[in-house]
Amino acid sequence: AQKVTQAQTEISVVEKEDVTLDCVYETRDTTYYLFWYKQPPSGELVFLIRRNSFDEQNEISGRYSWNFQKSTSSFNFTITASQVVDSAVYFCALTDDKIIFGKGTRLHILP
Amino acid sequence: GAVVSQHPSWVICKSGTSVKIECRSLDFQATTMFWYRQFPKQSLMLMATSNEGSKATYEQGVEKDKFLINHASLTLSTLTVTSAHPEDSSFYICSAHSGRRYEQYFGPGTRLTVT
Repeated sequence: AQKVTQAQTEISVVEKEDVTLDCVYETRDTTYYLFWYKQPPSGELVFLIRRNSFDEQNEISGRYSWNFQKSTSSFNFTITASQVVDSAVYFCALTDDKIIFGKGTRLHILP
Repeated sequence: GAVVSQHPSWVICKSGTSVKIECRSLDFQATTMFWYRQFPKQSLMLMATSNEGSKATYEQGVEKDKFLINHASLTLSTLTVTSAHPEDSSFYICSAHSGRRYEQYFGPGTRLTVT
């Protein structure tokens, strides 16, 4: 069965600190996709990244970076120099046919 | 990117009434649409998968007679919550893809409050 675990329920950091959100997944499939979404208070999901199982290259987009390690079934997300606007709930997700979401990590960036 | 809309964005209804939520793909044909429910401070839970022209597939524990899904065209799926009760109050989100299962586009969500 597929499963996504985000062990950190809630994290608070002071603005400008770096923060890493953890994501561990389980799947028996060899082909799958991993995602990160941001959900601000408005509720609308904001797509951040999609990565397929054959592409283990880390990715950087501005202050965001992602570390995909198949050996540990992890797909962690780091925000560098955090800002108050980064405060939101972040979901890691996995799909082969339908998307399975983790429980989310609520991130508070304190001014 | 592709756009998915939902209508209404929020709705308040009285207990016992039915309410319909629309999900539209605005610039692509959606062969498959998904409906999720999200309770406060919880994750998104998949309710059902809807394919155009066929019956929806419901996840375990979701009452198909209570949550009626119709995917009558390649751009529109509707979710009708029948005989709504306060415990049905939730944030309902749809998503759609055009055949590439890894390219799902999410709607902005509909907040339902049943009084």
